[in-house]
Amino acid sequence: EAEVAQSPRYKITEKSQAVAFWCDPISGHATLYWYRQILGQGPELLVQFQDESVVDDSQLPKDRFSAERLKGVDSTLKIQPAELGDSAMYLCASSRSTGAATGELFFGEGSRLTVL
Amino acid sequence: GENVEQHPSTLSVQEGDSAVIKCTYSDSASNYFPWYKQELGKRPQLIIDIRSNVGEKKDQRIAVTLNKTAKHFSLHITETQPEDSAVYFCAASMGTGGFKTIFGAGTRLFVKA
Repeated sequence: EAEVAQSPRYKITEKSQAVAFWCDPISGHATLYWYRQILGQGPELLVQFQDESVVDDSQLPKDRFSAERLKGVDSTLKIQPAELGDSAMYLCASSRSTGAATGELFFGEGSRLTVL
Repeated sequence: GENVEQHPSTLSVQEGDSAVIKCTYSDSASNYFPWYKQELGKRPQLIIDIRSNVGEKKDQRIAVTLNKTAKHFSLHITETQPEDSAVYFCAASMGTGGFKTIFGAGTRLFVKA
């Protein structure tokens, strides 16, 4: 069964350093999402792509976060510089947006970031 | 934008009892309401969903109800089992522009054997 791939699974960094996360969605899924999940809370949408275009990044802290999906397939989320409050699980998800689209999100296993 | 509130934050039930989790949403344009289950250390996975043109949907021991007028939807789990213990998230989504999905804060369900 196809799954969303994410890397790295774990990342420990010092504050003010740069960090990057990678996501490869399920093949054929045009919509890709990055969520941040702080321990004990629900996933918070950071950015949503439709193919290579950003359709929503209203909750992305643009002074330090950036996201791209250049070819409309895999995506990278970058944080520079990292702050202590960025410690969280970063979840990538994908969904179909046409045809048999249901709205279901398929999540990757996440990248857990610890900022020291 | 959309805001989803979820209650309770923690729920403890005895095995075999029923569990009910309630959510409210703010944006009347939302038309798709999924529920995700997240076991400890694992990714969220869809367990049931409902669309705005339906009032109730059932799948074995789980059911979801939707009241569009009141902007309420609920998850019902009957005959709970220890393996139902997990965090449950409700969400609301608009079926345009690629299904922007906003999640509630989650309910941690404990099922005591």
